[in-house]
Amino acid sequence: GQQVMQIPQYQHVQEGEDFTTYCNSSTTLSNIQWYKQRPGGHPVFLIQLVKSGEVKKQKRLTFQFGEAKKNSSLHITATQTTDVGTYFCAGRGGSNYKLTFGKGTLLTVNP
Amino acid sequence: ETGVTQTPRHLVMGMTNKKSLKCEQHLGHNAMYWYKQSAKKPLELMFVYNFKEQTENNSVPSRFSPECPNSSHLFLHLHTLQPEDSALYLCASSPVIATVEETQYFGPGTRLLVL
Repeated sequence: GQQVMQIPQYQHVQEGEDFTTYCNSSTTLSNIQWYKQRPGGHPVFLIQLVKSGEVKKQKRLTFQFGEAKKNSSLHITATQTTDVGTYFCAGRGGSNYKLTFGKGTLLTVNP
Repeated sequence: ETGVTQTPRHLVMGMTNKKSLKCEQHLGHNAMYWYKQSAKKPLELMFVYNFKEQTENNSVPSRFSPECPNSSHLFLHLHTLQPEDSALYLCASSPVIATVEETQYFGPGTRLLVL
């Protein structure tokens, strides 16, 4: 079945440093979504990418979808303590068109 | 955020108990989902309902029994659970299903502890 791998599993940064998490799929995706889950909270939708090579920005967050539509990344510039949480990617693809979540990357930020 | 609500927020139950989790969405969506989130594991999709009809059951043990009386309400009936079923159970809804427009809106979850 379809697998979505996400790395790294954990990332600790100093406030002001950049952060990137990567998502790779075993199959070509029709779209990919990113979610953020604050500690003790629930996943909240951030963005969706659909087109090959697509790049979208939300303030300090930059999302990319690979040309082959099998990988994606989320980059945060100049992290802040409010960025703390787990970032999940979720890709739709495969023969059954299921939405599959990655394991997530837990980001901690040292003030 | 009050679009998707879940009750109870916390639940402790014994292995012989029967309990139910409730989810309600106020977004006018047509699809609803149950997920299980355990420590160090990815979100596990359990069930999917589309217009009240179950469309996915991802090999979930029969001790978990879903019910969807209408597009706004979703229940998860629990009986004879095991300690390894302890987890955060998340409900989600989306406008549609299995299309590029399927953005999922999650509820706050029910944290379940099985003793």
